[in-house]
Amino acid sequence: DVKVTQSSRYLVKRTGEKVFLECVQDMDHENMFWYRQDPGLGLRLIYFSYDVKMKEKGDIPEGYSVSREKKERFSLILESASTNQTSMYLCATESGRVAKNIQYFGAGTRLSVL
Amino acid sequence: AQTVTQSQPEMSVQEAETVTLSCTYDTSESDYYLFWYKQPPSRQMILVIRQEAYKQQNATENRFSVNFQKAAKSFSLKISDSQLGDAAMYFCAYRSDAGGTSYGKLTFGQGTILTVHP
Repeated sequence: DVKVTQSSRYLVKRTGEKVFLECVQDMDHENMFWYRQDPGLGLRLIYFSYDVKMKEKGDIPEGYSVSREKKERFSLILESASTNQTSMYLCATESGRVAKNIQYFGAGTRLSVL
Repeated sequence: AQTVTQSQPEMSVQEAETVTLSCTYDTSESDYYLFWYKQPPSRQMILVIRQEAYKQQNATENRFSVNFQKAAKSFSLKISDSQLGDAAMYFCAYRSDAGGTSYGKLTFGQGTILTVHP
Protein backbone atom coordinates (compact mmCIF):
# COMPACT_ATOMS: atom_id res chain seq x y z
CA ASP A 1 0.00 0.00 0.00
CA VAL A 2 1.06 3.55 -0.70
CA LYS A 3 1.91 5.46 2.41
CA VAL A 4 1.84 9.24 2.39
CA THR A 5 2.80 10.74 5.72
CA GLN A 6 2.31 14.32 6.74
CA SER A 7 4.44 15.32 9.69
CA SER A 8 1.72 16.96 11.78
CA ARG A 9 -2.04 16.46 12.05
CA TYR A 10 -2.57 19.74 13.89
CA LEU A 11 -0.41 22.84 13.97
CA VAL A 12 -0.90 26.22 15.63
CA LYS A 13 1.32 29.10 14.58
CA ARG A 14 1.53 32.84 15.09
CA THR A 15 1.14 35.45 12.38
CA GLY A 16 4.49 36.16 10.76
CA GLU A 17 6.07 32.82 11.66
CA LYS A 18 7.78 30.69 9.04
CA VAL A 19 5.95 27.38 8.78
CA PHE A 20 7.12 24.12 7.27
CA LEU A 21 4.71 21.35 6.34
CA GLU A 22 6.39 18.09 5.47
CA CYS A 23 5.17 15.23 3.33
CA VAL A 24 6.96 11.92 2.87
CA GLN A 25 5.96 9.04 0.59
CA ASP A 26 7.33 5.52 0.47
CA MET A 27 6.29 4.39 -3.02
CA ASP A 28 8.90 6.07 -5.21
CA HIS A 29 6.25 8.18 -6.92
CA GLU A 30 7.51 10.86 -9.26
CA ASN A 31 4.72 13.36 -8.74
CA MET A 32 3.82 15.13 -5.53
CA PHE A 33 1.18 17.77 -4.84
CA TRP A 34 0.13 20.20 -2.16
CA TYR A 35 -3.54 21.14 -1.86
CA ARG A 36 -5.45 23.41 0.43
CA GLN A 37 -8.96 22.33 1.53
CA ASP A 38 -11.50 24.92 2.66
CA PRO A 39 -15.24 24.49 3.33
CA GLY A 40 -17.30 25.25 0.26
CA LEU A 41 -14.23 25.52 -1.95
CA GLY A 42 -13.09 21.92 -2.19
CA LEU A 43 -9.41 21.27 -2.81
CA ARG A 44 -7.27 23.83 -4.54
CA LEU A 45 -3.81 23.11 -5.89
CA ILE A 46 -0.99 25.17 -4.41
CA TYR A 47 2.15 23.64 -5.95
CA PHE A 48 3.24 20.40 -7.52
CA SER A 49 6.45 18.68 -8.49
CA TYR A 50 7.25 16.09 -11.13
CA ASP A 51 10.79 15.41 -10.05
CA VAL A 52 13.48 16.28 -7.57
CA LYS A 53 14.24 20.01 -7.51
CA MET A 54 11.36 20.69 -9.90
CA LYS A 55 8.28 22.65 -8.96
CA GLU A 56 5.33 24.19 -10.71
CA LYS A 57 2.73 26.64 -9.50
CA GLY A 58 -0.83 25.53 -9.06
CA ASP A 59 -3.90 27.70 -8.81
CA ILE A 60 -3.12 29.50 -5.55
CA PRO A 61 0.67 29.71 -5.05
CA GLU A 62 0.75 33.20 -3.51
CA GLY A 63 2.22 33.20 -0.04
CA TYR A 64 3.64 29.69 -0.40
CA SER A 65 6.81 28.07 -1.63
CA VAL A 66 7.92 24.44 -1.88
CA SER A 67 11.05 22.38 -1.73
CA ARG A 68 11.82 18.95 -3.13
CA GLU A 69 15.40 17.99 -2.42
CA LYS A 70 14.69 14.24 -2.30
CA LYS A 71 12.25 12.22 -4.33
CA GLU A 72 10.31 11.01 -1.31
CA ARG A 73 9.91 14.36 0.44
CA PHE A 74 7.92 17.44 -0.58
CA SER A 75 7.80 20.42 1.75
CA LEU A 76 5.36 23.31 1.76
CA ILE A 77 6.68 26.54 3.21
CA LEU A 78 4.72 29.51 4.46
CA GLU A 79 7.37 32.24 4.56
CA SER A 80 5.33 34.53 6.81
CA ALA A 81 2.13 32.90 7.99
CA SER A 82 -1.05 34.94 7.87
CA THR A 83 -4.50 34.29 9.33
CA ASN A 84 -5.96 33.68 5.86
CA GLN A 85 -3.68 30.67 5.56
CA THR A 86 -5.59 28.89 8.32
CA SER A 87 -6.78 25.78 6.53
CA MET A 88 -6.43 22.04 6.01
CA TYR A 89 -3.42 21.14 3.89
CA LEU A 90 -3.29 17.88 1.98
CA CYS A 91 -0.31 16.27 0.32
CA ALA A 92 -0.79 13.81 -2.54
CA THR A 93 1.42 11.63 -4.71
CA GLU A 94 1.03 9.75 -7.95
CA SER A 95 3.19 7.64 -10.18
CA GLY A 96 4.01 8.85 -13.65
CA ARG A 97 2.41 11.41 -15.92
CA VAL A 98 -0.72 9.66 -17.06
CA ALA A 99 -4.04 11.42 -16.68
CA LYS A 100 -5.90 8.36 -15.47
CA ASN A 101 -3.57 7.84 -12.54
CA ILE A 102 -4.89 7.83 -9.02
CA GLN A 103 -3.61 10.31 -6.49
CA TYR A 104 -2.81 9.05 -3.01
CA PHE A 105 -3.35 11.44 -0.16
CA GLY A 106 -1.92 12.02 3.27
CA ALA A 107 -4.17 12.43 6.30
CA GLY A 108 -3.82 16.21 6.20
CA THR A 109 -2.44 18.95 8.43
CA ARG A 110 -4.92 21.31 10.00
CA LEU A 111 -3.08 24.60 10.39
CA SER A 112 -4.34 27.44 12.55
CA VAL A 113 -2.60 30.80 12.28
CA LEU A 114 -3.38 33.09 15.20
CA ALA B 1 -10.64 26.64 -17.40
CA GLN B 2 -12.48 23.58 -16.25
CA THR B 3 -14.89 23.82 -13.36
CA VAL B 4 -16.52 21.12 -11.29
CA THR B 5 -19.72 21.77 -9.36
CA GLN B 6 -21.26 19.71 -6.60
CA SER B 7 -24.56 21.38 -5.83
CA GLN B 8 -25.40 19.32 -2.73
CA PRO B 9 -23.36 20.47 0.28
CA GLU B 10 -24.94 17.76 2.42
CA MET B 11 -26.89 14.58 1.85
CA SER B 12 -28.23 11.92 4.15
CA VAL B 13 -29.38 8.36 3.69
CA GLN B 14 -30.71 5.53 5.80
CA GLU B 15 -28.54 2.49 6.20
CA ALA B 16 -29.21 -0.08 3.43
CA GLU B 17 -30.85 2.55 1.21
CA THR B 18 -29.54 4.08 -2.01
CA VAL B 19 -28.27 7.62 -2.41
CA THR B 20 -27.06 9.59 -5.43
CA LEU B 21 -24.54 12.40 -5.25
CA SER B 22 -24.53 14.90 -8.10
CA CYS B 23 -21.63 16.40 -10.00
CA THR B 24 -21.49 18.55 -13.11
CA TYR B 25 -18.46 19.88 -14.90
CA ASP B 26 -17.62 22.31 -17.60
CA THR B 27 -15.01 21.60 -20.25
CA SER B 28 -14.40 22.09 -23.93
CA GLU B 29 -12.18 19.02 -24.16
CA SER B 30 -13.21 15.58 -25.36
CA ASP B 31 -10.62 13.46 -23.62
CA TYR B 32 -10.58 13.47 -19.84
CA TYR B 33 -11.06 11.44 -16.69
CA LEU B 34 -13.54 11.85 -13.90
CA PHE B 35 -13.05 10.66 -10.36
CA TRP B 36 -14.95 10.32 -7.12
CA TYR B 37 -12.83 10.52 -3.99
CA LYS B 38 -14.01 9.77 -0.45
CA GLN B 39 -12.65 11.54 2.64
CA PRO B 40 -13.80 9.82 5.86
CA PRO B 41 -13.70 11.89 9.05
CA SER B 42 -10.10 12.36 10.17
CA ARG B 43 -8.85 9.85 7.63
CA GLN B 44 -7.08 9.90 4.30
CA MET B 45 -8.89 10.61 1.09
CA ILE B 46 -9.17 7.58 -1.15
CA LEU B 47 -10.37 6.90 -4.66
CA VAL B 48 -13.88 5.48 -4.94
CA ILE B 49 -14.32 5.20 -8.69
CA ARG B 50 -12.93 6.47 -11.98
CA GLN B 51 -14.48 7.03 -15.40
CA GLU B 52 -12.78 7.50 -18.75
CA ALA B 53 -14.66 9.99 -20.92
CA TYR B 54 -14.22 7.92 -24.07
CA LYS B 55 -16.02 4.97 -22.48
CA GLN B 56 -19.79 5.04 -22.77
CA GLN B 57 -20.19 2.29 -20.21
CA ASN B 58 -20.66 3.53 -16.68
CA ALA B 59 -17.99 2.49 -14.20
CA THR B 60 -18.94 0.32 -11.23
CA GLU B 61 -17.07 -0.77 -8.12
CA ASN B 62 -19.09 -3.09 -5.93
CA ARG B 63 -21.84 -0.93 -4.34
CA PHE B 64 -20.63 2.21 -6.08
CA SER B 65 -21.61 3.13 -9.62
CA VAL B 66 -21.70 6.25 -11.72
CA ASN B 67 -24.14 7.73 -14.18
CA PHE B 68 -21.93 9.42 -16.75
CA GLN B 69 -23.75 11.65 -19.19
CA LYS B 70 -21.06 13.15 -21.43
CA ALA B 71 -23.31 15.43 -23.45
CA ALA B 72 -24.89 16.82 -20.31
CA LYS B 73 -21.48 16.97 -18.55
CA SER B 74 -22.88 15.16 -15.58
CA PHE B 75 -21.18 12.54 -13.43
CA SER B 76 -23.26 11.35 -10.48
CA LEU B 77 -22.28 8.73 -7.92
CA LYS B 78 -24.78 6.14 -6.74
CA ILE B 79 -24.17 4.29 -3.51
CA SER B 80 -26.34 1.23 -3.09
CA ASP B 81 -27.01 -0.59 0.18
CA SER B 82 -25.48 2.28 2.14
CA GLN B 83 -23.36 1.38 5.14
CA LEU B 84 -22.30 3.38 8.17
CA GLY B 85 -18.76 3.33 6.85
CA ASP B 86 -19.86 5.24 3.78
CA ALA B 87 -20.27 8.38 5.88
CA ALA B 88 -17.69 10.83 4.55
CA MET B 89 -17.07 13.88 2.43
CA TYR B 90 -17.21 12.96 -1.26
CA PHE B 91 -15.37 14.93 -3.90
CA CYS B 92 -15.89 14.81 -7.62
CA ALA B 93 -12.79 15.60 -9.67
CA TYR B 94 -11.86 16.17 -13.30
CA ARG B 95 -8.58 15.82 -15.14
CA SER B 96 -7.82 16.58 -18.75
CA ASP B 97 -6.14 13.96 -20.91
CA ALA B 98 -5.09 16.51 -23.48
CA GLY B 99 -1.48 16.51 -22.33
CA GLY B 100 0.79 19.53 -22.40
CA THR B 101 0.27 22.13 -19.70
CA SER B 102 -3.11 20.69 -18.76
CA TYR B 103 -1.58 17.51 -17.45
CA GLY B 104 -1.47 16.77 -13.79
CA LYS B 105 -4.02 19.14 -12.45
CA LEU B 106 -7.02 17.60 -10.76
CA THR B 107 -9.91 20.04 -10.50
CA PHE B 108 -12.14 19.27 -7.53
CA GLY B 109 -15.70 20.10 -6.74
CA GLN B 110 -16.78 21.67 -3.46
CA GLY B 111 -17.57 18.34 -1.83
CA THR B 112 -20.71 16.72 -0.45
CA ILE B 113 -20.96 15.55 3.15
CA LEU B 114 -22.82 12.25 3.32
CA THR B 115 -24.44 11.20 6.57
CA VAL B 116 -25.64 7.63 7.00
CA HIS B 117 -28.36 7.06 9.58
CA PRO B 118 -28.66 3.66 11.29
